Amino acid sequence: SQKIEQNSEALNIQEGKTATLTCNYTNYSPAYLQWYRQDPGRGPVFLLLIRENEKEKRKERLKVTFDTTLKQSLFHITASQPADSATYLCALVRVLGNEKLTFGTGTRLTIIP
Amino acid sequence: NAGVTQTPKFQVLKTGQSMTLQCAQDMNHNSMYWYRQDPGMGLRLIYYSASEGTTDKGEVPNGYNVSRLNKREFSLRLESAAPSQTSVYFCASRRQGIEEYFGPGTRLTVT
Repeated sequence: SQKIEQNSEALNIQEGKTATLTCNYTNYSPAYLQWYRQDPGRGPVFLLLIRENEKEKRKERLKVTFDTTLKQSLFHITASQPADSATYLCALVRVLGNEKLTFGTGTRLTIIP
Repeated sequence: NAGVTQTPKFQVLKTGQSMTLQCAQDMNHNSMYWYRQDPGMGLRLIYYSASEGTTDKGEVPNGYNVSRLNKREFSLRLESAAPSQTSVYFCASRRQGIEEYFGPGTRLTVT
């Protein structure tokens, strides 16, 4: 079965710096990969989706890359702010049409003022 | 639009009691999902429904049943609650190929 690892449970970054989170997967290459943000006591909220034939996606201060050779996705937040502090989850869909998401355990990001 | 709504928000059960978690979405999505989230385990899929009238098991279905009542509603039932089912439960819905929308969660404690 697919195994997803997110680089660390917790990451502390100085305000204004770029935060980089890693999502590594084993076995099959997913059809697409998503990143979600989750705040304490709330459900996850979708941020970005990247497909297997795309190398990079951007949305405002967010950037996601997808390297199917390394079996890895990187999630970047540039010019980080304390409001970016949250847990970030990556999730994979294996096959289009059978779209169950498999989630990683998440990385808790803290932006230090 | 309310998005995905879940009831109740909190629940405490004794071992052996039963209860139903309710979920509804107003986005006309075909697919609906039930997850549980435990510390260090991430979100794990319990059951899902790809369309009205169909349901399938996910990664951790034991001890649960589901009903897709109509396109809007997808309920999760615990017939005989066990302490191992203490968790936060999330319902989600999605159109094919698009992101999932999650509800606010139900925090369940089984004593």
